[in-house]
Amino acid sequence: KAGVTQTPRYLIKTRGQQVTLSCSPISGHRSVSWYQQTPGQGLQFLFEYFSETQRNKGNFPGRFSGRQFSNSRSEMNVSTLELGDSALYLCASTKGGKNTGELFFGEGSRLTVL
Amino acid sequence: GNSVTQMEGPVTLSEEAFLTINCTYTATGYPSLFWYVQYPGEGLQLLLKATKADDKGSNKGFEATYRKETTSFHLEKGSVQVSDSAVYFCALIRDPLSNDYKLSFGAGTTVTVRA
Repeated sequence: KAGVTQTPRYLIKTRGQQVTLSCSPISGHRSVSWYQQTPGQGLQFLFEYFSETQRNKGNFPGRFSGRQFSNSRSEMNVSTLELGDSALYLCASTKGGKNTGELFFGEGSRLTVL
Repeated sequence: GNSVTQMEGPVTLSEEAFLTINCTYTATGYPSLFWYVQYPGEGLQLLLKATKADDKGSNKGFEATYRKETTSFHLEKGSVQVSDSAVYFCALIRDPLSNDYKLSFGAGTTVTVRA
């Protein structure tokens, strides 16, 4: 059974650009969450989607957005990149419905903003 | 709000030593508690969980007991191996009946086990 797949794994952007990250959840999983991991702030929740609907959003500026498609795949977008957006972005999936906290994480997309 | 505090690392141990990582939490309602582990270059993996007071989660020789009276969920392993070198995160999620779908994580504790 394939795990959570995130693409790209590594990318370098410059300030002001935008970036789109993709996440394919485990087959049958309908909930996808996104987290930002940085050395200074640790793991911070970005948003969670279930059946194409955003159910929860963290405390990030509007430059951070996401969406989920009918096949449960999800994308997140960051516009007008800032140096502080450099981070490992982790996607996690779960079957959804109930709030169990048992997430399956991908290996992450490491974004460097120059 | 919900928060998790775990002991700061890094922690360096010799193989077969006893490991304990302290974790305390603040939360409303009846949270579920977790330990996640992140091996070098990988995403997080669920190590163990406990969903109610006095529950003991266990996996791969690791254990943690949900102590509501002390709001703690300390991780322990009796004899660590080099392969246990990783970053360990304590986490909680609010009451499963709530509409809060996010995990709140501690800062993480880096553990290095030397042969």
